[in-house]
Amino acid sequence: QKEVEQNSGPLSVPEGAIASLNCTYSDRGSQSFFWYRQYSGKSPELIMSIYSNGDKEDGRFTAQLNKASQYVSLLIRDSQPSDSATYLCAVKQRTGGSYIPTFGRGTSLIVHP
Amino acid sequence: DTGVSQDPRHKITKRGQNVTFRCDPISEHNRLYWYRQTLGQGPEFLTYFQNEAQLEKSRLLSDRFSAERPKGSFSTLEIQRTEQGDSAMYLCASSLNNENTEAFFGQGTRLTVV
Repeated sequence: QKEVEQNSGPLSVPEGAIASLNCTYSDRGSQSFFWYRQYSGKSPELIMSIYSNGDKEDGRFTAQLNKASQYVSLLIRDSQPSDSATYLCAVKQRTGGSYIPTFGRGTSLIVHP
Repeated sequence: DTGVSQDPRHKITKRGQNVTFRCDPISEHNRLYWYRQTLGQGPEFLTYFQNEAQLEKSRLLSDRFSAERPKGSFSTLEIQRTEQGDSAMYLCASSLNNENTEAFFGQGTRLTVV
């Protein structure tokens, strides 16, 4: 069973701090990696995608990918209370003959004022 | 609004009844995915279409579940003889026909079986 693992948290950080969210995956053939944010009762919203080793920055968000270690992370700088949500890691993994986005269980982030 | 659209947003049904959900993907997106999500869990893959072809179906999916995408545009997910364990959020996502592209989700349909 190919898996995507995330610590369920909650991860609690003070406003203005850096939040670091981590994800590991089992399928070495995976090439596409995504981070989604999900507010309670809402559907997942895409925030970052990353396809190559290294860092990718978009505003306050930085995604980091290390394929050798099968590890993806998301850093949120200057965290705001509005960032409080569940963050889902998704990895396109081979399912049958197709690559399907496979999700972790999500990490709950709480940013307190 | 050119995003993924799902209908209905909420559905309450009695155990044993059949229900059908609809998903309208982003218009140029060839790929369409159905997921199910329960509280505290990530989205669980159900099935995948590329245009009108259903290419993948989760082995965990009961034969009470069926999905179609007859003209390669909108898709329907039907659950027959619903059970209380079917209560969940049903999510539809779509993407372009390329491995390195993102999938975008609709608002979801929340099903409650009583």
